[in-house]
Order: sequence, then C-alpha cells, then structure tokens
Amino acid sequence: DIQMTQSPATLSASVGDRVTITCRASQSISTWLAWYQQKPGKAPKLLIYKASTLEIGVPSRFSGSGSGTEFTLTISNLQPDDFATYYCQQYNSYFGQGTRLEIK
Amino acid sequence: EVHLVQSGGGLVQPGGSLRLSCAASGFTFSSHAMNWVRQAPGKGLEWVSYISGGARSTIYDADFVKGRFTISRDNAKNSLYLQMNSLRVEDTAVYYCARISTIFGAGGDYWGQGTLVTVSS
Repeated sequence: DIQMTQSPATLSASVGDRVTITCRASQSISTWLAWYQQKPGKAPKLLIYKASTLEIGVPSRFSGSGSGTEFTLTISNLQPDDFATYYCQQYNSYFGQGTRLEIK
Repeated sequence: EVHLVQSGGGLVQPGGSLRLSCAASGFTFSSHAMNWVRQAPGKGLEWVSYISGGARSTIYDADFVKGRFTISRDNAKNSLYLQMNSLRVEDTAVYYCARISTIFGAGGDYWGQGTLVTVSS
C-alpha cells in the first residue's frame, strides 16, 4: 500500500501569514491527491483535488501543487477561519496523518 | 441539495457486530462511488472502504478491514452500508460516509454527519 506522510504535524501561524503543508507519497501517485480541511466535531471539507484543482466555493487563497510523490498545500493571507486540521488523501483511499494549523 | 444521513452507530461489546447506514438524497446515488472513513477519538482520518458506482460494484478495503467489515450499497434504496463484524476496541471511532465526485480523481465532495461507534465491554 502507498503510505502518505504529512509535515509538519503542527504549524503555528498568524492571521495574514502564508503557510505551506507538505504531503509525500511512498510511491508515485501522479496527481491523484486531494486536500481536506477539518474543524473539531465536523466532517472534512474538500479543498483541492487532482493536486491543484480548487473545489468550487473554496477561496483562492488556497492552492495546491505537486505531482509524483511530493505535494504542497499553500494558504496565503491566513484568515481566522483557516485555523483547522488539514489532510491529504491519495485517490480516494489512504490519508496523511494530518497537520494542525494553530494560531500563534 | 445533496444530503447524506447516517444511522446505526452505538455501543457494542468486543466481538460484536454493527451495521452502519448512509441514506443519500439530492443526487443520482447510483452514479457515484462512495467511501467509508473513520476517525478515532483525537486521531486523524482513516480510510476504511470504497465501493464504485454503477450496476456492478468494485470494492477496495483498507488493510485493517481484513474481512471483518463489508461495504455494500442498494441503489434502489439510495443507501450505503458498512457491516462490521468481530469488532475490536480499536474500532472505536466516528464513522463517516462520503460521496465521491464523478470528476475522476476528485475525492469526497459531500460527507455524512458521522456516527459514533464505541466498542467496549
């Protein structure tokens, strides 16, 4: 099975900052990667799919890039609503361990 | 409007069984693949099982399922199921059903509200 590894596990940032979360696959998954945002007690929300395509309704400050084994999620101009946990998922199966984005 | 309404969670003893249901509405259920994803208390998301859309379903399971869990669907009833047998304490989690977008490779675009399964004696 393909293993997904996210880093960092926790990220501290301030409103207005730009942050990047990395997700690495143990073998190439082309661009079959999705990013989700999850807030406590809520179901995950799809942000980006096929590594870089923004889901409808997701603010443009979210962006994704990468292919093969290394992927990034970048959030520009952090807003208070963005502080949450983020997960990558390879093609409808295994997830990364998650990155908790907290307010500095 | 798309809705996924889950039911069937609860408290069960180790070794017991439970069947989760996910009732879909607001879209053509048969056209969409579906996933079950779980989240143990304080932990990350964990993929459980996938079932394709269409008349003949293809199923994929996470390694830990190992024949204990069975995903199924009834397109006539617009419903997804997860039959869980031989439950273990470590299966305690909130279980989510998720609709997979028909855009190839697009992931889970709608999720159920989650249902808590507690395995304890």
